[in-house]
Amino acid sequence: NAGVMQNPRHLVRRRGQEARLRCSPMKGHSHVYWYRQLPEEGLKFMVYLQKENIIDESGMPKERFSAEFPKEGPSILRIQQVVRGDSAAYFCASSPPSRLGGLNTGELFFGEGSRLTVL
Amino acid sequence: RKEVEQDPGPFNVPEGATVAFNCTYSNSASQSFFWYRQDCRKEPKLLMSVYSSGNEDGRFTAQLNRASQYISLLIRDSKLSDSATYLCVVNGADSWGKLQFGAGTQVVVTP
Repeated sequence: NAGVMQNPRHLVRRRGQEARLRCSPMKGHSHVYWYRQLPEEGLKFMVYLQKENIIDESGMPKERFSAEFPKEGPSILRIQQVVRGDSAAYFCASSPPSRLGGLNTGELFFGEGSRLTVL
Repeated sequence: RKEVEQDPGPFNVPEGATVAFNCTYSNSASQSFFWYRQDCRKEPKLLMSVYSSGNEDGRFTAQLNRASQYISLLIRDSKLSDSATYLCVVNGADSWGKLQFGAGTQVVVTP
């Protein structure tokens, strides 16, 4: 009964390179969320996806960041041309299908995070 | 102003003592409230939901004050294993599942 699986756990990139972070939700979960946590700060919402759909990307920077959750395979958070300020822990979370017309009940199951370091 | 604000602490608590702390939120339309726990460099995990009437789960008691827009968490008979960062989490009415996290309150339980 695997939980939310994220990989890689640690990723080091040089400025200007691309970073790809992958997330497989818990079995039976159809909602995926990406959060970013900077050192000494709280988690910041980035994007909420269902299979093949971006539901809410209001927390995503307008440039260089993109996310997808294809019909098959994991969700991917992609950061192009990374800069030092992108260094952070990126957490993926999943939740089961909502029971109340789209409102999430609040329990998110988080992966262990992917720690990106940009040199 | 941050959407969810918490005292960062740390709250240093002797083992067996009681500790309580609050969190304030800015969106008066928020509908759902939660406390998550995050251990150092680990993923957050749901501790408990917060209901309007207040609720208790073992040694943990959560309260919601909608008029003043704050949530509280009280831990009784603190254990060493309660040392963690406690995250206040709010789900807005129109956020379609987006949760707003506070930066966390650090609790350190000492022997």
